[in-house]
Order: sequence, then structure tokens, then C-alpha cells
Amino acid sequence: GAVVSQHPSWVICKSGTSVKIECRSLDFQATTMFWYRQFPKQSLMLMATSNEGSKATYEQGVEKDKFLINHASLTLSTLTVTSAHPEDSSFYICSASEMTVAKNIQYFGAGTRLSVL
Amino acid sequence: KNQVEQSPQSLIILEGKNCTLQCNYTVSPFSNLRWYKQDTGRGPVSLTIMTFSENTKSNGRYTATLDADTKQSSLHITASQLSDSASYICVVRGNSGYALNFGKGTSLLVTP
Repeated sequence: GAVVSQHPSWVICKSGTSVKIECRSLDFQATTMFWYRQFPKQSLMLMATSNEGSKATYEQGVEKDKFLINHASLTLSTLTVTSAHPEDSSFYICSASEMTVAKNIQYFGAGTRLSVL
Repeated sequence: KNQVEQSPQSLIILEGKNCTLQCNYTVSPFSNLRWYKQDTGRGPVSLTIMTFSENTKSNGRYTATLDADTKQSSLHITASQLSDSASYICVVRGNSGYALNFGKGTSLLVTP
């Protein structure tokens, strides 16, 4: 099956710094990538949808200036948490959707655990 | 608001036993329903995906059923193994766009 690689798997940073998380589709082209956030024992919550070459669409309540998303190519999307604070500590998961509409399946990355001290 | 409700919230079973997880949804119109397994600290991994016309889909020891009329799905795990311990998430996709509706998951613990 399709593989989505997410890096890093775990990051610890100081409050006020910025952290970049990468999401790559390894064996397919992904016109659309998604970023989710998951708190312990909670369901995945969609943060934003990014289409290659265009601005991301953010869900209500998600600050676009804090969570910067770039989808510059068909195989790479990045999420940058700017000026991170302890309340940003969470599990961030990306997913990528295959290009063929008939096969509109989302493949998930392994997730990134962010701990802000 | 589209909703996906899963039950039970958590479940503990002995190794080798069978179990069934439930998923009720109100998403309409409906495109497909997926069951994912999520190990702690990992991303979800797809187990099954079913469209409106499919009633049953198997993947090894995992069998998912779907009743689109009553908007219910179940995931049956046969001869459970310790490695089955994980969160199982029901995800329903509507017909419009890419939006997925996630259940909160059932946390399964398989004990020796």
C-alpha cells in the first residue's frame, strides 16, 4: 500500500521556538494533504487541508498564523508550529490523498509527538 | 452535525478470545466507512474500507460489517492476539469533498 512518511517522530522544544514537521508521500503523488491533531484518548481533529501549490484551508478555530502549512510539491507538505507553547504539545498526524479521484483514500503518517517545555 | 459514535469506549479481553466493536453514524450522504487500527504513539493504519453496497469485508482476523440502512457497522476480531491491543477507529466519509468523520475509537487491551 501507499506509504506516507512523517518526520520527526518526536520533538521536544523550548517555549517560544518554532518546530517544522514534514510529511512525504513516498510512492504516490498527493494533490491533497491533511494535518490532524490528536490529544490523549481523543479522536483525530482535522486542522487544515492543503492542496499542492495553493494556500491551505484551515478548520474553524485553528490559527493559520500559528500553524503554517506549505505544500510546495506533490510529495511534500510541511507544518510549522510557530512560537510554540506548552498547550501546543500534542500528537500531530498528516495524511495524504492519492491523485486519482476514483481512489480517494487517505493514507496516514506515523505521527509526530510534540512536547513543548 | 455529522457524528460517528463508537462503543464500547474500552474493552479488555483474554488472548485467543473474539470481540466485536460497534460504530453508529449519522453521516449523510454516505460514501464509505473505514476501520483503522492505531497503536499508541503511531498513526492510524487502515484495516477495511466499505462502500454503500458492501455488507462485509474481511482482512485476516478482522471482519467488518456494514448496514447502510441502519447506519451501523461492526468490527469483529477473531482469536485475538496481544498485538491486537490498540485503539480501533471508525471513520465515515460523506459524499462531499475529502472530509472524514472520525469516531473517538475503542481502546482494546488483550491480556495473556
